[in-house]
Amino acid sequence: EVQLVESGGGLVQPGGSLRLSCAASGFTFSSYWMSWVRQAPGKGLEWVANIKEDRSEIYYVDSVKGRFTISRDNAKKSLYLQMNSLRAEDTAVYYCARDRRLPLRYMDVWGKGTTVTVSS
Amino acid sequence: QSVLTQPPSASGTPGQRVTISCSGSGSNIVSNAVNWYQQLPGTAPKLLIYSNNQRPSGVPDRFSGSKSVTSASLAISGLQSEDEADYYCAAWDDSLNGWVFGGGTKLTVL
Repeated sequence: EVQLVESGGGLVQPGGSLRLSCAASGFTFSSYWMSWVRQAPGKGLEWVANIKEDRSEIYYVDSVKGRFTISRDNAKKSLYLQMNSLRAEDTAVYYCARDRRLPLRYMDVWGKGTTVTVSS
Repeated sequence: QSVLTQPPSASGTPGQRVTISCSGSGSNIVSNAVNWYQQLPGTAPKLLIYSNNQRPSGVPDRFSGSKSVTSASLAISGLQSEDEADYYCAAWDDSLNGWVFGGGTKLTVL
C-alpha cells in the first residue's frame, strides 16, 4: 500500500524550531518529487516547499524562504522539513505529498498530516 | 488571498448537478493543467481530478473536470450526501515556481 506518514509536530514557542519527518512506503521514493503542504486552522491549503528526486531542485513559498529547509534521505525513504524562527502564522497541519512531474503534474498521495502549533 | 479564485460556497440537493469554478492567470492555469482535491471533514486532501479532466482510479465518474483558457470547472452530477466536503483547485505557477491553490469551496448537500 502506498503510504506517507508524517511526524514531529507539536507545540513550540515563537522563534523556536521544529523538524518534521515524512516516512514513505509502498513506492519507489527515490523516483518522485515530494512536497510539503500546510493548512492553517479553518483555512485553505498552502503549498510550502518541494524537492526533486536527487535534491538538485528545491522550491519554497516566499513566506518560508530563509526559515524552512526541505530535505530528503532516499535511503531512508524519508522527507524532512526543518522549520526555524517559527511564527504564530506557521500554525497549521502539515501534510507531505508525492509530487508527480512527468508527463503530468499533480500531487497524488497525501499523508494524514502532523499538527504544528506556535504559541507562547 | 489565494492565487486561484474559487467561490467560497456551493450547494445542491441530492441528485442535482453542481459546478465549482476556478479562475487563474497566464502563469498558472493558462500554462499548466489544473488538479482538483476533495477534503472531507477532518481528513487529508484526496486527489479527485488531475490534468484538467482525468480521474484517478476509484473516483466515481460523477466527478468531471474541464478547462478553458483562464478558468477550470469541477462538475459533480448525481449529488450525494457524502459529497459534502471542501474542494480545492490547484495548478503549478511558472512565475512563482510553486503550486498554487484556490481558496476552497465548501459544498453543502441540502
